[in-house]
Amino acid sequence: GENVGLHLPTLSVQEGDNSIINCAYSNSASDYFIWYKQESGKGPQFIIDIRSNMDKRQGQRVTVLLNKTVKHLSLQIAATQPGDSAVYFCAEASGSARQLTFGSGTQLTVLP
Amino acid sequence: NAGVTQTPKFQVLKTGQSMTLQCAQDMNHEYMSWYRQDPGMGLRLIHYSVGAGITDQGEVPNGYNVSRSTTEDFPLRLLSAAPSQTSVYFCASTRDRGGTQYFGPGTRLLVL
Repeated sequence: GENVGLHLPTLSVQEGDNSIINCAYSNSASDYFIWYKQESGKGPQFIIDIRSNMDKRQGQRVTVLLNKTVKHLSLQIAATQPGDSAVYFCAEASGSARQLTFGSGTQLTVLP
Repeated sequence: NAGVTQTPKFQVLKTGQSMTLQCAQDMNHEYMSWYRQDPGMGLRLIHYSVGAGITDQGEVPNGYNVSRSTTEDFPLRLLSAAPSQTSVYFCASTRDRGGTQYFGPGTRLLVL
């Protein structure tokens, strides 16, 4: 999708609560989706991925849901911890070289 | 393994100067990419390579050149720096098509 500007969407959650971060993707031909976590001053870090033949995938404390009908992706983080505070990006991939197109990101802040 | 390494970590240039951002990976990955990240935005693909000797343009290639003479190295060259190229640059590599992309720590570039 296109980057939408300078102000990131933000999400604040209490420590221990569950977090849900949403992403709308743009290319109906995309068949691979990834969530990345980016802490301040660092490069993106892979969290979880999902292919278009699935609608749900679970990892450790994280779940990704894919709704191809409305081109929507979500990341659920269970029992959110202070260390989860970061910017979260979704990315979609298509084409033979699997080039990634990143969303604009969501800033997650975990409150004590 | 060191993973993906980038040098320098920070660079200041004057308009019109040239420089090369270095990227190296020791994972024997075929695919390597360069992204730029502007404040509050996601990453945008500049150039990518699917193997030694093969490069292609991404979303925002203008003003940048790349080459891939070895599997390990993928330098990004700015021929004549412009203030619009002020950004954080990330290099990434992946084992093969559809694999997880691993990102370097980034190079912060300021063009005055």
